[in-house]
Amino acid sequence: EPEVTQTPSHQVTQMGQEVILRCVPISNHLYFYWYRQILGQKVEFLVSFYNNEISEKSEIFDDQFSVERPDGSNFTLKIRSTKLEDSAMYFCASSETGGANTEAFFGQGTRLTVV
Amino acid sequence: GNSVTQMEGPVTLSEEAFLTINCTYTATGYPSLFWYVQYPGEGLQLLLKATKADDKGSNKGFEATYRKETTSFHLEKGSVQVSDSAVYFCALSGTYPAGNKLTFGGGTRVLVKP
Repeated sequence: EPEVTQTPSHQVTQMGQEVILRCVPISNHLYFYWYRQILGQKVEFLVSFYNNEISEKSEIFDDQFSVERPDGSNFTLKIRSTKLEDSAMYFCASSETGGANTEAFFGQGTRLTVV
Repeated sequence: GNSVTQMEGPVTLSEEAFLTINCTYTATGYPSLFWYVQYPGEGLQLLLKATKADDKGSNKGFEATYRKETTSFHLEKGSVQVSDSAVYFCALSGTYPAGNKLTFGGGTRVLVKP
């Protein structure tokens, strides 16, 4: 069964360093997303991406964040200068369409720990 | 804006017990409603969904009915198994033009004991 894969599963980084979280969405999907979950809190929407551009972003997704689909298969989330409060589980998701009743398929997540 | 509130866990049950997880929402327009499940060590998986009022979503013995009048989407299962131990997330979709953005509840951890 097709699945969304994320790497690495766990990343530890020092405050101020850049990190890149990687995702391989399902191959025929056209819409891509990043969500995050700070420990003990809700899963929060960060950004959606379609047709090689951001279609929507939340207030969390500030200038420190960027997304890219560099090669037609990977979908990356970059955090330019990590802060302690960026420590969270980051989930990538993809969907075939962008409609309100579309199913989003999620990866297993990358746990980012900023020290 | 949109929001989802679900009961806090953990919920601990014995096998074959009845499970209810309450979920209520606030939204403009007519969102779709979802239950996602996260088994230990895995990602979020869609469990069931309902796209309009009075729709009932069902899967793997779980059911939830989209109640517009009470803005609720409670998850139920009549007889749980140990394998149902997981974290359950209620979520709603945006409406046009943000239809593909999900708003999640806080998640409810369920532990089923043999």
